[in-house]
Amino acid sequence: DAKTTQPNSMESNEEEPVHLPCNHSTISGTDYIHWYRQLPSQGPEYVIHGLTSNVNNRMASLAIAEDRKSSTLILHRATLRDAAVYYCILIGGGTSYGKLTFGQGTILTVHP
Amino acid sequence: NAGVMQNPRHLVRRRGQEARLRCSPMKGHSHVYWYRQLPEEGLKFMVYLQKENIIDESGMPKERFSAEFPKEGPSILRIQQVVRGDSAAYFCASSPRQENNYGYTFGSGTRLTVV
Repeated sequence: DAKTTQPNSMESNEEEPVHLPCNHSTISGTDYIHWYRQLPSQGPEYVIHGLTSNVNNRMASLAIAEDRKSSTLILHRATLRDAAVYYCILIGGGTSYGKLTFGQGTILTVHP
Repeated sequence: NAGVMQNPRHLVRRRGQEARLRCSPMKGHSHVYWYRQLPEEGLKFMVYLQKENIIDESGMPKERFSAEFPKEGPSILRIQQVVRGDSAAYFCASSPRQENNYGYTFGSGTRLTVV
C-alpha cells in the first residue's frame, strides 16, 4: 500500500476549525483515502473516507486535492472530545480488504 | 444495532497460560479483522477471517497465535503459552463484505496483561 505522511502533532482551540493534512504522493488510482481517530484507551473510530471528490458527513469534511496526492481532514468546530490521534490511511483493492496500515498519525490537542 | 463487541475488556494471564479473546461482529457482518497495539506503538494488522475461513493471516506471529471464526458464534483469537511481550490491546473490526469503499467499525478492544 502507498505511504502517507502526517505531522506528528497539531494544536487547536475549542470551537475553532482544525485542518489536518496528509500527503500521499504515491497514491494509486484505486486507493481510497480513509481517516480514523483513536481516543485514549479506545478502539479506532471511523471518521470519513473518499476516492476523488470532497466528502462531508456529520463528523467532518474531507478535502481531496485534484491530483489526489494530498488530502485534508477538516473538523469544523473542534471540541475537547476531538482530542485524539488521527490516522490517514490509504486502502487499495485486490488483497488489501480490511488491512489498514496505521502509521504514527497526528496527535491533536484541543485547548479549552 | 449493537456495534462490534469484544470481551473481556481486560484479561490478566500468568506466563504460560492461554488467552482467549472474543469478537462478535456487527449484525449481518461476516468478515472480521484482528489488530494488535503494543504499548506506545501503532495498530498492526494480524488476521482477516470470513465465516469458517482464514483469508489473510500475514500479520499473525508464526507460533502460539491462532484465530477462528466459526459458522456460529464469535470470532476467537487464541494465544497459547502467553509471554510478557504479548501484553497489548487487541482490537477487532468487521465488515459486511469485501470492499474498501466502507468505513470499518472497531470494537473497544481487549487489554491483555501478562504477569
